Amino acid sequence: EADIYQTPRYLVIGTGKKITLECSQTMGHDKMYWYQQDPGMELHLIHYSYGVNSTEKGDLSSESTVSRIRTEHFPLTLESARPSHTSQYLCASSRGPTGTDTFSDEKLFFGSGTQLSVL
Amino acid sequence: QKEVEQDPGPLSVPEGAIVSLNCTYSNSAFQYFMWYRQYSRKGPELLMYTYSSGNKEDGRFTAQVDKSSKYISLFIRDSQPSDSATYLCAMRGPGGYQKVTFGIGTKLQVIP
Repeated sequence: EADIYQTPRYLVIGTGKKITLECSQTMGHDKMYWYQQDPGMELHLIHYSYGVNSTEKGDLSSESTVSRIRTEHFPLTLESARPSHTSQYLCASSRGPTGTDTFSDEKLFFGSGTQLSVL
Repeated sequence: QKEVEQDPGPLSVPEGAIVSLNCTYSNSAFQYFMWYRQYSRKGPELLMYTYSSGNKEDGRFTAQVDKSSKYISLFIRDSQPSDSATYLCAMRGPGGYQKVTFGIGTKLQVIP
């Protein structure tokens, strides 16, 4: 049972607003990720973190920013939302390398997602 | 060209049918192969995983990997309406910090 939570589940907001999408996990995982999923498209990695105070941009360019001040918390922020930011945002976590079981270390646990609509 | 190709469907089958879902890939470095199931308005959940070539069975699900053909499959036996979901293949290379590449997902509907 995955213990990773995203809020809000749905967000409809006007252009120019600042928004923060919350993601928390209670599994003590070191690695956390943000993916963007659009209808008919693959999941694209937009941000990832390998631990506290570590953040990196993913493969898909995004105007969002992330922070990782606590192990369990990985929020995503858009300073000024635009209609092009309308998408499903999925947060995920994985245990990270223990040196004993590479695959289990990398198993991704996903939250239920935030569907963002910017008008 | 995409690294991972997957037919988006939709695929509709009657209850009890055997379902075959497939992906092809171009990156020969991929060694870990996964299938995720995603129900509507939910995040993906890991269903099956295999390392390198071969078969793996778990209940009604069988995952197959043919690295020589760069082709992976997921078979669902005795399909149930509760199997109706989108199935995403995913794969990654060796090493502890390899990114996961996902397919577009195949939408499956099992009709009672």
